[in-house]
Amino acid sequence: DTAVSQTPKYLVTQMGNDKSIKCEQNLGHDTMYWYKQDSKKFLKIMFSYNNKELIINETVPNRFSPKSPDKAHLNLHINSLELGDSAVYFCASSPGLAGTYEQYFGPGTRLTVT
Amino acid sequence: AQSVAQPEDQVNVAEGNPLTVKCTYSVSGNPYLFWYVQYPNRGLQFLLKYITGDNLVKGSYGFEAEFNKSQTSFHLKKPSALVSDSALYFCAVIAGGFKTIFGAGTRLFVKA
Repeated sequence: DTAVSQTPKYLVTQMGNDKSIKCEQNLGHDTMYWYKQDSKKFLKIMFSYNNKELIINETVPNRFSPKSPDKAHLNLHINSLELGDSAVYFCASSPGLAGTYEQYFGPGTRLTVT
Repeated sequence: AQSVAQPEDQVNVAEGNPLTVKCTYSVSGNPYLFWYVQYPNRGLQFLLKYITGDNLVKGSYGFEAEFNKSQTSFHLKKPSALVSDSALYFCAVIAGGFKTIFGAGTRLFVKA
């Protein structure tokens, strides 16, 4: 009955590889997000989708490509991984776009690029 | 530009004592303010929010926060700290758009 789930929980890979992280929410929410948390715990938004439409696209390298096949899923694909991509990536969801809504976070995916 | 400041990297408090974790913000327009908590190796959990109305908002686990418009602050408080409150706390703001801006986080350490 997990509200927001992510797979995998840990991902260790080499530079230059391509990898994907999957996110699913069973809350019936319309809006989903990807955040990156660096080693200093600083949290920054990367992307946001509302009803499968891209709403927020921060200054993220185009090696990162989100995909939302339906409202309940938001995946993140990363091409040509670099050392600096090592971080914890969090998926989140909220009932809608309005700023009044709180967000529900997944457990995170710890990506280590060697 | 919107910003959120959490001036303390770490707050130390003894169990049973009151705690305060500070947050100030800078936005244009009316802010929506949030507090989240992160336990080790976990995602963020929502604690409370201020949207409008009463300046004192109550949230989960006995936490509360006071919105102060003149001081542009939204400090998190709890009357009596527990060891289990030890975690990383994030203040966040949304104003004039959809993007959430998070503060850098404050680590709370409650000593038994």
